[in-house]
Amino acid sequence: QSVLTQPPSASGTPGQRVTISCSGSSSNIAITTVNWYQQLPGTAPKLLVYSNNQRSSGVPDRFSASKSGTSASLAISDLQFDDEAQYSCAAWDDSLDGWVFGGGTKLTVL
Amino acid sequence: QITLKESGPTLVKPTQTLTLTCTFSGFSLSTNGEGVGWIRQPPGKALEWLSLIYWDNDKRYRASLKSRLTITKDTSKNQVVLTMTNMDPADTATYYCAHNTDFDYWGQGTLVTVSS
Repeated sequence: QSVLTQPPSASGTPGQRVTISCSGSSSNIAITTVNWYQQLPGTAPKLLVYSNNQRSSGVPDRFSASKSGTSASLAISDLQFDDEAQYSCAAWDDSLDGWVFGGGTKLTVL
Repeated sequence: QITLKESGPTLVKPTQTLTLTCTFSGFSLSTNGEGVGWIRQPPGKALEWLSLIYWDNDKRYRASLKSRLTITKDTSKNQVVLTMTNMDPADTATYYCAHNTDFDYWGQGTLVTVSS
């Protein structure tokens, strides 16, 4: 069971907006920044968002992220078939003295 | 341009020690602020952080695996080595190395299967 909690799946149709949540605690998200990674099938993860809401180089502004309290969220607007991937959140955990990842959310574009 | 690549055995037997090497380019682990981390992903499961080594040789380990992990760096060779002792079938996973504390660049990963 992952320290950061994400819904296992999400879906949407092309053009729609979807949001993926990431729930943590007072030892991680509440006191540190959150990163989001996109993992296309059969490939290595790619940094999508860092420091809660900063898009990595080359990431379109259809992707946005935010953090509030012990939770964070990733929003994808104008959904495209190419967005079909696994999305994972991550943060440093002060109690565990290490990085923790969410369980990942598999996004399906219908 | 930053690149990383993992290398090591694809198959290990239970109780054996796994040694993985991350060879990188585009940055130096002797530069203030740099670091390399290891993350694994069992088939069909979530990413799991294992270890991190910083430019100043500060090392961090996943608490639950601390007794089994050792991370070292060879700055002259641009390499980071992770060893994991007493391998178990539950350690079967794709092992990735990644740059820095944001894991902004990742290697392609190497699948390690633990089986007799």
